Amino acid sequence: GAVVSQHPSRVICKSGTSVKIECRSLDFQATTMFWYRQFPKKSLMLMATSNEGSKATYEQGVEKDKFLINHASLTLSTLTVTSAHPEDSSFYICSASTGPANTEAFFGQGTRLTVV
Amino acid sequence: QKEVEQDPGPLSVPEGAIVSLNCTYSNSAFQYFMWYRQYSRKGPELLMYTYSSGNKEDGRFTAQVDKSSKYISLFIRDSQPSDSATYLCAIFTGGGNKLTFGTGTQLKVEL
Repeated sequence: GAVVSQHPSRVICKSGTSVKIECRSLDFQATTMFWYRQFPKKSLMLMATSNEGSKATYEQGVEKDKFLINHASLTLSTLTVTSAHPEDSSFYICSASTGPANTEAFFGQGTRLTVV
Repeated sequence: QKEVEQDPGPLSVPEGAIVSLNCTYSNSAFQYFMWYRQYSRKGPELLMYTYSSGNKEDGRFTAQVDKSSKYISLFIRDSQPSDSATYLCAIFTGGGNKLTFGTGTQLKVEL
């Protein structure tokens, strides 16, 4: 299957600082990338959908000013958690779609964010 | 009612057992049905997907969909300790581009 690389795999930051997470599709062009958040023993919660060159579409209840998403190229999307607080601590996962149908979404390995 | 319901487990079985994992869904518009495997602290990995009622087999894995009952299953034959992971069902409506996940079932296959 296609490879999606997510970096960093884990990060610890101080409360009030910003953290950037990168998601790269290594061997295909991803027209659409998705960002999820996963709490322990909970389902993946879709945060936003990003299409290359356009603004991300955020799910209801997700603060767009807090979770900044940029999809500057067909192989790279970034999620920036701004002014992070301890309640933002979570597992963040990106996925990339090889086409509009998204019947095969390839996931990154996830980023464990801890805000202290 | 959640769109996708899945028993979180944990489910513990002996090596070699047949495992049955299940999900129910509420929206009859759902068209594609996926199963993902997620190891601890890793991203999900797609195992199988299907879009019609019936069975689809891939090695030791069989995905089953019953649209009339809105019920999907994943069977694992000859389970191995390496199958120990969380299994998530996900359902996708072809008209949009959004996957709706179940909570995942934690499976442990013991020696």
